[in-house]
Amino acid sequence: GNSVTQMEGPVTLSEEAFLTINCTYTATGYPSLFWYVQYPGEGLQLLLKATKADDKGSNKGFEATYRKETTSFHLEKGSVQVSDSAVYFCALISNSGYSTLTFGKGTMLLVSP
Amino acid sequence: DGGITQSPKYLFRKEGQNVTLSCEQNLNHDAMYWYRQDPGQGLRLIYYSQIVNDFQKGDIAEGYSVSREKKESFPLTVTSAQKNPTAFYLCASRGDSRPNYGYTFGSGTRLTVV
Repeated sequence: GNSVTQMEGPVTLSEEAFLTINCTYTATGYPSLFWYVQYPGEGLQLLLKATKADDKGSNKGFEATYRKETTSFHLEKGSVQVSDSAVYFCALISNSGYSTLTFGKGTMLLVSP
Repeated sequence: DGGITQSPKYLFRKEGQNVTLSCEQNLNHDAMYWYRQDPGQGLRLIYYSQIVNDFQKGDIAEGYSVSREKKESFPLTVTSAQKNPTAFYLCASRGDSRPNYGYTFGSGTRLTVV
């Protein structure tokens, strides 16, 4: 079956620090990969996505590269801000038959001034 | 603006009572989904519907029921058979079944059993 593994949080950083949140996956076929962000008390917002190997998704300074050889989709940002404090979810949809979105457990990011 | 509306934002239920969570979308999306979120567990799929008058169980359907009588609406009923219903519930929709299309989420309903 499909599964997503994320690094456990919370990740605590100072403002302007470099961020990496690790994500690896197991899936049938060639999945599409997503990062969603959840701010406190809210639903999920799509942050970025990549649909094939070596694709790089990017948005709001965040980036992630689809690495088929290592089955990974790590999220990075060069300089975090306090406003980036949120929970980040890695997720996938397999291209094998009808597939629903499978999520990792989420990683909380806390950025201090 | 198009989007997904979940209501109410907070809901309190007494043990033994059924309760229905509302999810309405004006995105003209065919597929709709219900997820449950618990701290440290991520999101788990309860039910989904690919088209009106059709729905399938997800990974944790026991104690829940749904209906899909209209394209815009996908209400979730949490029954008294659900042993641990206190959680954050998220509704989502998708307009295209191809894998590269993600989901649009509502803002969630927090259900507390008192």
